[in-house]
Amino acid sequence: GQQVMQIPQYQHVQEGEDFTTYCNSSTTLSNIQWYKQRPGGHPVFLIQLVKSGEVKKQKRLTFQFGEAKKNSSLHITATQTTDVGTYFCAGPRGGSQGNLIFGKGTKLSVKP
Amino acid sequence: DGGITQSPKYLFRKEGQNVTLSCEQNLNHDAMYWYRQDPGQGLRLIYYSQIVNDFQKGDIAEGYSVSREKKESFPLTVTSAQKNPTAFYLCASSIVQLNSPLHFGNGTRLTVT
Repeated sequence: GQQVMQIPQYQHVQEGEDFTTYCNSSTTLSNIQWYKQRPGGHPVFLIQLVKSGEVKKQKRLTFQFGEAKKNSSLHITATQTTDVGTYFCAGPRGGSQGNLIFGKGTKLSVKP
Repeated sequence: DGGITQSPKYLFRKEGQNVTLSCEQNLNHDAMYWYRQDPGQGLRLIYYSQIVNDFQKGDIAEGYSVSREKKESFPLTVTSAQKNPTAFYLCASSIVQLNSPLHFGNGTRLTVT
């Protein structure tokens, strides 16, 4: 069946270091969404990418959607302790509107 | 202030008992969802509904039931048939439109002993 895979599962960085998480889909996606879940919290929508090769930035966060629309990445420049949490990518289930398949997430910890 | 309310935040039950988790939204969203989250497993879809009085099974519907009698409400019942019910349960809603993001509630942590 359709799968969305994310690596790495965990990442520990020193504050100020960069961080990247990668998302790969078994099928071509019409769009990909990214969510952040703080420890003890709930997932919060960050951004959506729709176009092949699209790159979007939110301050220190850079999101990319692959040319084939099967992979995506989230890069954080100069991490801060406020970046701690789990980052999930999610893609639409084939043939279904609004029904998302989530990756297992990358848990980021930042050492001050 | 619009949002999704899940209650209670923590819930404890004895094995063999059914338990119902509440989810209410005032965002006027047509679609609502229930996800289960286990450590290292991401979010897995239990049930979803795109319109009142209609709902579909997700990937892990066995041992769960839902109802959608009102647009604002989508309660989830964890039955005694669910073999591993202890988990973090997240309710979400969205508009029914391609690419619409999900809005999540704060979640209910269910512990069954």
